[in-house]
This record gives sequence, structure tokens and C-alpha cells, in this order.
Amino acid sequence: EAGVTQFPSHSVIEKGQTVTLRCDPISGHDNLYWYRRVMGKEIKFLLHFVKESKQDESGMPNNRFLAERTGGTYSTLKVQPAELEDSGVYFCASSRFNPGPTHEQYFGPGTRLTVT
Amino acid sequence: QKEVEQDPGPLSVPEGAIVSLNCTYSNSAFQYFMWYRQYSRKGPELLMYTYSSGNKEDGRFTAQVDKSSKYISLFIRDSQPSDSATYLCAMTPSNTGKLIFGQGTTLQVKP
Repeated sequence: EAGVTQFPSHSVIEKGQTVTLRCDPISGHDNLYWYRRVMGKEIKFLLHFVKESKQDESGMPNNRFLAERTGGTYSTLKVQPAELEDSGVYFCASSRFNPGPTHEQYFGPGTRLTVT
Repeated sequence: QKEVEQDPGPLSVPEGAIVSLNCTYSNSAFQYFMWYRQYSRKGPELLMYTYSSGNKEDGRFTAQVDKSSKYISLFIRDSQPSDSATYLCAMTPSNTGKLIFGQGTTLQVKP
């Protein structure tokens, strides 16, 4: 079974430009999450999709960030316009829907975003 | 105050040592507790998962949760150089909700 994949692995852009990150979850996983880790800080939640619907977007920092998951498969996270403080590693994770007490989120390798 | 506190280390031990990694938390609603291992430039990899209080063992790894003290631990027995990585604790109140992470502890196991 293929794991969570993310593209690109690394992106360097200038302040004010736009960047789009992509995440392909594990096949059959309805839950998709975006997280971010800025340097020196802990990994922080951004938002959660269940299929194509946004279940929780409480972690999105501001309206410069737009996440979509059309068709309930892959997801994109667009940052427009990028600011210096957006630099960090963006992780995507997915999990299977399970009504029982299990909660296993599988993470992708991350996209390292550098805004200069 | 952070919801989850974890000493970032670094922690350096000789090969074969028993390693103890810990996190404390403040939110009594947390029910699901996880330990992730992250190698450099890789994504977090799920190691152990515990629901509510108690112990769970998997090979050389043992996870403990003490909800009364709001304290979780990961023990690694017979540590190996390949265990050198950053260990992240994470927790959540619900089985589909967002994970709240600690900062991660960097572990180095010296041959």
C-alpha cells in the first residue's frame, strides 16, 4: 500500500508569490489533515477534511491560506501571497474512518517551504 | 502555556541503554495518545498508540499513560543506533480530531 505522498518536496519562493502544495492520501482514507512545523516550534494542526468537506479549519492562520479537496481524493494547500513567516515544513496526514477507539494518522514526508 | 510539554533534549545514550521519553499535558479531555518517530528530512512515523490510561508494549518499546498525573512516557529497551531520531508525542480528545504535538525530543544512541 502506497503511503501519503506530497509534492513538491521543497519550494523556494519570494515574498508575495503564490505556492500550491499537493497531498495524495493513502487510498481509501477519508480523513485528510494538514499540519505545519515552523523552525523551533512544534507541529501544529491547520485543517481536517472528511472526504471533500472541511471538518475543522481552526488552525488555518489567515485567509492567505486556501485548502481544497475536490472529489475527496487529493488535496491542495495554496498560500497567496506568501509571507516570510509562512516558511516551514508542511505535512499532510491521512487516516481511515473508524468508529472505534483507534486513531492512526499516517504522515507524508512533508513539503519544505522557504519564503525569501 | 502549551497544551503539551516535551523536553527537546538532545538526549544522548550509549547503545544498549534504556531510554525514557516523557510528555506532560494540561487538557484532561485528551483520550488518545501517540508516539511518533521522525528521522531527519522525513515525515513522522507512528510508533505506538494508546487509548486512555495504561501500558502498551511492542517489541523494545513500551508506552505508558497516567491520566491522573497527565503524564505519558515511552521506554525504549536495548537502544540501538538506528533508534537515533526525534520522538514526538501527540494526543487528541477524539478519534478523528486534530493531533496536538509536543515539540519532540532528539535522541542519539551512540555505538
